[in-house]
Amino acid sequence: ETGVTQSPTHLIKTRGQQVTLRCSSQSGHNTVSWYQQALGQGPQFIFQYYREEENGRGNFPPRFSGLQFPNYSSELNVNALELDDSALYLCASSTGQKAYEQYFGPGTRLTVT
Amino acid sequence: RKEVEQDPGPFNVPEGATVAFNCTYSNSASQSFFWYRQDCRKEPKLLMSVYSSGNEDGRFTAQLNRASQYISLLIRDSKLSDSATYLCVVTFYSSASKIIFGSGTRLSIRP
Repeated sequence: ETGVTQSPTHLIKTRGQQVTLRCSSQSGHNTVSWYQQALGQGPQFIFQYYREEENGRGNFPPRFSGLQFPNYSSELNVNALELDDSALYLCASSTGQKAYEQYFGPGTRLTVT
Repeated sequence: RKEVEQDPGPFNVPEGATVAFNCTYSNSASQSFFWYRQDCRKEPKLLMSVYSSGNEDGRFTAQLNRASQYISLLIRDSKLSDSATYLCVVTFYSSASKIIFGSGTRLSIRP
């Protein structure tokens, strides 16, 4: 177990709705990254937060947004959901000095109908 | 062209065999390299970092070739428990982080 938790585990939404996914990082980790993983593909980098600031972003539209809180937990918000947003959403935590040695949570499976 | 490319496999090898995967990357400014493994319906787990001088962890050896822009993973004496998808990861940081996963190589070890 990595100590990274995500909620909820599964979620079903309809097109056009908004969703918030949550991630609690491993104790001592101040960096959280979010990924979208479609079936049969590798995780796609959405963004990374370091000490409450966005520290990098992949090729995702602005309707994907995030927050990191003082306790380093994080949220991913997706507005105006589209069918293609159906995927596994993973968060990963790490420390600033080893920001890329990441420990993943179990993911949230989002289905958009 | 994808920024990070892997042979999707599947590689199907007998227990005890040696198997190797390569992963190529297109951005010569890439700075850090990793291998993760992902079991079916599970989250990715860090297998090992890849250093310029090459590094070994038990049966696993990782190498980086910056000139040809690829990283490799060698698994010796493969076990049934090595069956998984192996993801290579390339990162770089200028003013912001960028982290790119390959699509993964599926490995199946048969008894």
